[in-house]
Amino acid sequence: DSGVTQTPKHLITATGQRVTLRCSPRSGDLSVYWYQQSLDQGLQFLIQYYNGEERAKGNILERFSAQQFPDLHSELNLSSLELGDSALYFCASSVQGQSNSPLHFGNGTRLTVT
Amino acid sequence: KNEVEQSPQNLTAQEGEFITINCSYSVGISALHWLQQHPGGGIVSLFMLSSGKKKHGRLIATINIQEKHSSLHITASHPRDSAVYICAVRPDKLIFGTGTRLQVFP
Repeated sequence: DSGVTQTPKHLITATGQRVTLRCSPRSGDLSVYWYQQSLDQGLQFLIQYYNGEERAKGNILERFSAQQFPDLHSELNLSSLELGDSALYFCASSVQGQSNSPLHFGNGTRLTVT
Repeated sequence: KNEVEQSPQNLTAQEGEFITINCSYSVGISALHWLQQHPGGGIVSLFMLSSGKKKHGRLIATINIQEKHSSLHITASHPRDSAVYICAVRPDKLIFGTGTRLQVFP
């Protein structure tokens, strides 16, 4: 058990809808990362937060947004959903935000857009 | 060309065999990660390396920074090792390889 909790495990929704994915980092970890794993693109970095502030941005669409709250949990909001947004979304956390900090992954949220 | 290349893409082995998965990268990095993903989908971090060699049980990971190459070895492979193994490098953000699908048969 990595200590990182993602909810929900599965989500099925329709095109055009909006969903929120939630991540609780491992106790003591200040940094949260979001990743998308799709069949055609593989795993891609979306965004990183450190202690409530956005630290780095990757291939995140404008329809997607995220935030990290004072209790350090994070939410990834996906709006105007398209079929191509169907993917596994992973959250990971680390103690610090540096690139040489060990990462701990959650079990992912599987999003299906129909 | 991908910044992180893994080989082979697919690997089958008999239980007990020694397995090697290779990862080559083209960017400067501060760390390299080996990840394991089982069919259920969850990702487990196996190793984080910035130099040398690390060992955990039957798993060994090595990295050669000058040659920009890393290997993951599994000794005495077992069917429960069947999974996708993913190499990822961190210049700053994580850049992932496409993974190696390993199947170990009894």
